[in-house]
Amino acid sequence: AQSVTQPDIHITVSEGASLELRCNYSYGATPYLFWYVQSPGQGLQLLLKYFSGDTLVQGIKGFEAEFKRSQSSFNLRKPSVHWSDAAEYFCAVGTMKTSYDKVIFGPGTSLSVIP
Amino acid sequence: EAGVVQSPRYKIIEKKQPVAFWCNPISGHNTLYWYLQNLGQGPELLIRYENEEAVDDSQLPKDRFSAERLKGVDSTLKIQPAELGDSAVYLCASSLDSSRPGEQYFGPGTRLTVT
Repeated sequence: AQSVTQPDIHITVSEGASLELRCNYSYGATPYLFWYVQSPGQGLQLLLKYFSGDTLVQGIKGFEAEFKRSQSSFNLRKPSVHWSDAAEYFCAVGTMKTSYDKVIFGPGTSLSVIP
Repeated sequence: EAGVVQSPRYKIIEKKQPVAFWCNPISGHNTLYWYLQNLGQGPELLIRYENEEAVDDSQLPKDRFSAERLKGVDSTLKIQPAELGDSAVYLCASSLDSSRPGEQYFGPGTRLTVT
């Protein structure tokens, strides 16, 4: 069965600093990979997705992620963090089970931004 | 375009009482999901609908939980009777169809507190 781990429960960065959130997955085949962001009291919003092709994926709000098959990783990055980026970030892996998809979410990483 | 609408946003009930949550997906979205999100964790799928058919309800505790999606649009998730451990956020999400796994649009959720 597929699974997702996010090693960092909580990360604090200064505004303007770079950010990298880690995500590792376990799945026997090539997965579909996603990053979602959840602001307090809000639902999840899709930041970016990887299905195939270029392993460096660009998303919204200046985020990017890189798929590394050899490391089973899909880390999220941003070169300069803004205070509004403070939120919970979820990595997710998707599969095609029979004729429909199944998405498994990681436990999340909480990001705090220091002014 | 309106997003996924959920109501109520908050609900406090005593244990053993029934409770229902309502979800209106994005217009035209055939696939609807109900997720359970415990504090500090990622969403966990309860049930998925393709139009009015429940195609994955393997994680739905059927002794107390039920769901319906009449006419393939709105959906209701019910718990009867509620237990203390049901306190969580219940998220509804929708997607256009199953060909793009993981591209889901989430509502703000219903935060349930069982006392």
